[in-house]
Amino acid sequence: AQSVTQLDSQVPVFEEAPVELRCNYSSSVSVYLFWYVQYPNQGLQLLLKYLSGSTLVKGINGFEAEFNKSQTSFHLRKPSVHISDTAEYFCAGLTNSGGSNYKLTFGKGTLLTVNP
Amino acid sequence: GAVVSQHPSWVICKSGTSVKIECRSLDFQATTMFWYRQFPKQSLMLMATSNEGSKATYEQGVEKDKFLINHASLTLSTLTVTSAHPEDSSFYICSAGQGPSDTEAFFGQGTRLTVV
Repeated sequence: AQSVTQLDSQVPVFEEAPVELRCNYSSSVSVYLFWYVQYPNQGLQLLLKYLSGSTLVKGINGFEAEFNKSQTSFHLRKPSVHISDTAEYFCAGLTNSGGSNYKLTFGKGTLLTVNP
Repeated sequence: GAVVSQHPSWVICKSGTSVKIECRSLDFQATTMFWYRQFPKQSLMLMATSNEGSKATYEQGVEKDKFLINHASLTLSTLTVTSAHPEDSSFYICSAGQGPSDTEAFFGQGTRLTVV
């Protein structure tokens, strides 16, 4: 069963509009949660992460995410998007792969397309 | 943040030949490295986890004899695709962490492999 679920495969928005990319996690995933951004033909860049503490996490490029334990969610938000935010966004969680080893489990990704 | 360099960025090879992809941590020692495969418009699939000086741990369904992983030093891991076939064409991405339970992984820029 998938441990990290991204509910939307594509999200089109207009420039300067707010956006929310949804992510839910299952109990098999630890509460170490991440959002990554991937531009075409490139690796992944960390946007933000939640390890503990404040449930509202601020990241780079004006993004933020809120950890909600009761809803097992970690949605990513930005109040005003730019054309340059067009990219694939991945939600990920750490899962135990045996002993003290952990691995990242990724959602299927959400393609954010910002239109002028 | 830490830098992970992956080489080559893209490679085209003939069917039946082997291809080696390098993943280097440039400014930190990477005890653990991860190799992922990404099909077009899909998420990252973990292929294997390698800890320096020990054998890689492969995910279920990944052929260890086909995808040879070597992590001989704390700054270098290599993935060799042996006897490559067109179905091995994909985007391969490595990431590196500073420990097996390190909560942040740093990603290389990826390698686009095309087998003709």
